[in-house]
Amino acid sequence: GESVGLHLPTLSVQEGDNSIINCAYSNSASDYFIWYKQESGKGPQFIIDIRSNMDKRQGQRVTVLLNKTVKHLSLQIAATQPGDSAVYFCAEIPFSTGANSKLTFGKGITLSVRP
Amino acid sequence: NAGVMQNPRHLVRRRGQEARLRCSPMKGHSHVYWYRQLPEEGLKFMVYLQKENIIDESGMPKERFSAEFPKEGPSILRIQQVVRGDSAAYFCASSPRLAETQYFGPGTRLLVL
Repeated sequence: GESVGLHLPTLSVQEGDNSIINCAYSNSASDYFIWYKQESGKGPQFIIDIRSNMDKRQGQRVTVLLNKTVKHLSLQIAATQPGDSAVYFCAEIPFSTGANSKLTFGKGITLSVRP
Repeated sequence: NAGVMQNPRHLVRRRGQEARLRCSPMKGHSHVYWYRQLPEEGLKFMVYLQKENIIDESGMPKERFSAEFPKEGPSILRIQQVVRGDSAAYFCASSPRLAETQYFGPGTRLLVL
């Protein structure tokens, strides 16, 4: 799979390949990060989260990596399936500053899975 | 365990009318958040409420928009005298406690003619 940043809005991968979706965040005070998946006409669906005291967290077929040094977050999807086609958003909250109610979302990347 | 419920799913209003959007949080969740999503953009925070209290409304437009979360019943986002620029998808999220994962509803798509 290809690795793209949020400035490239579309990622196309072959079914069965691994996908890597990247996100650069700007608020160095952010300490909680979430990846959401949004299918057309639906609300964002929680995929996986990670707190700033970790650099990696694994779920079912998904892995989130956090690099606080360069303020970079990535979502890896193993064996990408057609059902993974959606828009993916990273979101962050700076809990430690007290502004802990607002999720700040990135602009999103469209993942398109080719059969 | 039902997820976050929102209604209506689609709402059409003419300019100058009022729009009322309702949100029922997940069972056991007392924290509600409203977000707005313009076409092909990410979600933007509007307001955060707990039962009977507005905690953070820093993302709400100063005029025409209001939100409430009464002791009984759903949270309501109210838009008075709607304009075409209010056309968007409005999403509600809930969490059981502050600083925990927010789970989203299906959204209300508002179209202002």
